[in-house]
Amino acid sequence: GAGVSQSPSNKVTEKGKDVELRCDPISGHTALYWYRQSLGQGLEFLIYFQGNSAPDKSGLPSDRFSAERTGGSVSTLTIQRTQQEDSAVYLCASSLPWGNQPQHFGDGTRLSIL
Amino acid sequence: GENVEQHPSTLSVQEGDSAVIKCTYSDSASNYFPWYKQELGKGPQLIIDIRSNVGEKKDQRIAVTLNKTAKHFSLHITETQPEDSAVYFCAATGGSTLGRLYFGRGTQLTVWP
Repeated sequence: GAGVSQSPSNKVTEKGKDVELRCDPISGHTALYWYRQSLGQGLEFLIYFQGNSAPDKSGLPSDRFSAERTGGSVSTLTIQRTQQEDSAVYLCASSLPWGNQPQHFGDGTRLSIL
Repeated sequence: GENVEQHPSTLSVQEGDSAVIKCTYSDSASNYFPWYKQELGKGPQLIIDIRSNVGEKKDQRIAVTLNKTAKHFSLHITETQPEDSAVYFCAATGGSTLGRLYFGRGTQLTVWP
């Protein structure tokens, strides 16, 4: 079946602009996660959605970052007033809801801030 | 929160040899430990995972061991092949922050033919 789909695959924008990154999770996966992977770094947790519960936003690095999940499916990560340090690969993962379930990742959006 | 350390950062082996990657974690409440393989330009791919109620799990050439007392777990790849070359990440979760994965910094594995 279809895996996690992310768009765009690449995004280049100027410093100060806003960007929106999209994630389509695997059908039936009610848990959705965003992570960030900077050059040479590991994966850094950003935010976690689980069904209709309030999201865990504890990993968002600043108030310029926000995320929504509409209808319990598609999610959008928004970065306002982008800075050069926001350049990274933004990865989305989804999983089944109960307990600790395997998280399946998309191929990410490579964001470059000029 | 959880802290996951991974070693080595780079590993080179000859085709057919074994490769071992080791990770330690800090939160004794963590109970789920997945391993991911990431190829260039791709997202991480889950290759094997283990839960804290077992000490070892094997899937063909890949095995993972878990020592809860020492809080460390390891990935073992036998009969390595050039296509095993990639970055491997260990992760842990299940402690105070359910769901989110805490990742190690990754191991660049190179298998020489």
